[in-house]
Amino acid sequence: GESVGLHLPTLSVQEGDNSIINCAYSNSASDYFIWYKQESGKGPQFIIDIRSNMDKRQGQRVTVLLNKTVKHLSLQIAATQPGDSAVYFCAENTGANSKLTFGKGITLSVRP
Amino acid sequence: DGGITQSPKYLFRKEGQNVTLSCEQNLNHDAMYWYRQDPGQGLRLIYYSQIVNDFQKGDIAEGYSVSREKKESFPLTVTSAQKNPTAFYLCASKTSRKSGQPQHFGDGTRLSIL
Repeated sequence: GESVGLHLPTLSVQEGDNSIINCAYSNSASDYFIWYKQESGKGPQFIIDIRSNMDKRQGQRVTVLLNKTVKHLSLQIAATQPGDSAVYFCAENTGANSKLTFGKGITLSVRP
Repeated sequence: DGGITQSPKYLFRKEGQNVTLSCEQNLNHDAMYWYRQDPGQGLRLIYYSQIVNDFQKGDIAEGYSVSREKKESFPLTVTSAQKNPTAFYLCASKTSRKSGQPQHFGDGTRLSIL
């Protein structure tokens, strides 16, 4: 089937290197942000989240950084592995009813 | 295992036909969502429901309908009024309508036109 990664910007990294995936969000009033990973033919998988009262949050091999001044969110993946190859989406929680607004996504390609 | 189940995985629609996509969750989540995903695009919200017997239109509701008669089920009907239905449809749920909780997704239904 068609890949959701078609026509998306691509980040290519060497296996073992660290990856940094960036996202600019649109609404300065957004109070909650999420990173998702989507593999071909599957639904998005939750990676990590962060609330607007935090600047940094760490998980296993992943770190999310939030810069509210410039409305920028980044996902850092340490020691990138072939299994990390996927499309990555950021999402922001906007307004009442907790609706999420998704970015277009970035394809991460890991070179062996 | 707890999770969100979407069926069928692949669905084909004929001209003038309505089709219904199933979404079931056993996570005891109050809120459920339907998104449409086109190649190279982010997810766009079709409909959402924060509680049983209540639902609201999302950003692209035209040509779609939903129902929420049971907490665990949120079926989406793609009507013949939707002129460009070919897409990957994703269902999600989360604990409640409150902010600060992630949505969890099923593995999607790919709808194509015959």
